[in-house]
Amino acid sequence: GQNIDQPTEMTATEGAIVQINCTYQTSGFNGLFWYQQHAGEAPTFLSYNVLDGLEEKGRFSSFLSRSKGYSYLLLKELQMKDSASYLCAVTGGSYIPTFGRGTSLIVHP
Amino acid sequence: GAVVSQHPSRVICKSGTSVKIECRSLDFQATTMFWYRQFPKQSLMLMATSNEGSKATYEQGVEKDKFLINHASLTLSTLTVTSAHPEDSSFYICSAPRGQGAVGKKLFFGSGTQLSVL
Repeated sequence: GQNIDQPTEMTATEGAIVQINCTYQTSGFNGLFWYQQHAGEAPTFLSYNVLDGLEEKGRFSSFLSRSKGYSYLLLKELQMKDSASYLCAVTGGSYIPTFGRGTSLIVHP
Repeated sequence: GAVVSQHPSRVICKSGTSVKIECRSLDFQATTMFWYRQFPKQSLMLMATSNEGSKATYEQGVEKDKFLINHASLTLSTLTVTSAHPEDSSFYICSAPRGQGAVGKKLFFGSGTQLSVL
């Protein structure tokens, strides 16, 4: 089975930096995804990590440590539009990802 | 632009009716598509894997006779909620993997269908 844990809710200030953590326990590992989902909309792809280290993509970066079963999504220069739910998803033995419950990020002025 | 199209985006129906939701891959062939259900403030729960040319694979606890899945072609999968009841009210999302090989395939999602059963 797979178990994915991430905080339920976080708040941050516009312009700041926020780190959303995700820990996982899986049988097998074929990669970790981060998705962004605005209320009432479908998730959109943010990042994919399969090797240890940091992947940077503009204001968003994602880090993975396979030995620790740990990942984080780092959002810089926060904007109001970044208020959304952030889903951590892990692919175990197959390529079908299992999603965490999501972290609701609230950005305030 | 969208690579996976899903419609309708919203359905309001009476209890006991059946509702069909369509999911299309727009510029690629998807031999496999996934159907998820999401309740408010909850994560995506995989309901079933739709396979072109064969029967769908359902997750534990999902009623096969209630949620009928047909993968009619390499670009179309449909989910029919039969005899819908208020407890079936939820956000239904389809997705299709796209990429090289089995590992690292990104999931592209449809826009979702909000089903409300009165």
